[in-house]
Amino acid sequence: GAVVSQHPSRVICKSGTSVKIECRSLDFQATTMFWYRQFPKQSLMLMATSNEGSKATYEQGVEKDKFLINHASLTLSTLTVTSAHPEDSSFYICSVEGPPNSPLHFGNGTRLTVT
Amino acid sequence: GQNIDQPTEMTATEGAIVQINCTYQTSGFNGLFWYQQHAGEAPTFLSYNVLDGLEEKGRFSSFLSRSKGYSYLLLKELQMKDSASYLCAVRHGSSNTGKLIFGQGTTLQVKP
Repeated sequence: GAVVSQHPSRVICKSGTSVKIECRSLDFQATTMFWYRQFPKQSLMLMATSNEGSKATYEQGVEKDKFLINHASLTLSTLTVTSAHPEDSSFYICSVEGPPNSPLHFGNGTRLTVT
Repeated sequence: GQNIDQPTEMTATEGAIVQINCTYQTSGFNGLFWYQQHAGEAPTFLSYNVLDGLEEKGRFSSFLSRSKGYSYLLLKELQMKDSASYLCAVRHGSSNTGKLIFGQGTTLQVKP
């Protein structure tokens, strides 16, 4: 399965600033990655599908101008939370789509706290 | 639309067996996955069913009935470290790749 590295693991930022989260596929060339968000005591909610070389596909209710996704190479996707607000505080997790019939493998997640 | 249901919480005793059920209604199905998630950590993959029947991996087994839209995860010989959330997820769409949609998760507490 794919080995996924996510950075940073933890970030605290002030309201109004932007934060970039990186997701790297270390051993698999990933044309597709997924970004999930998880609020406390809730399950994973899919935010968007990141497609290498093309625009991301966002789930309903997710603001594409607020959550900017760039997937410029087969090993790296980035999620930028722009003009962050306290309600954006959450656990953000990326995953890599591997070969057919394989499970998604997740990065270790990024705990974002906006003060 | 899509709907995935799991019990919110379960409690079991160390050494016992526990079954966590998951029912789903999705437009397009291409596999059902079970993940384990400890608090503050990312989910880790446990098992995968795409055809009906039972898949066994050590202390963990998972069952799928596509006609009933039903799966369960069976954990045997429970250990304290099995206390975690267990997430049922359905692969959405018509291909054997693609996004997973997660249920709300079942928090399992294992007691001595």
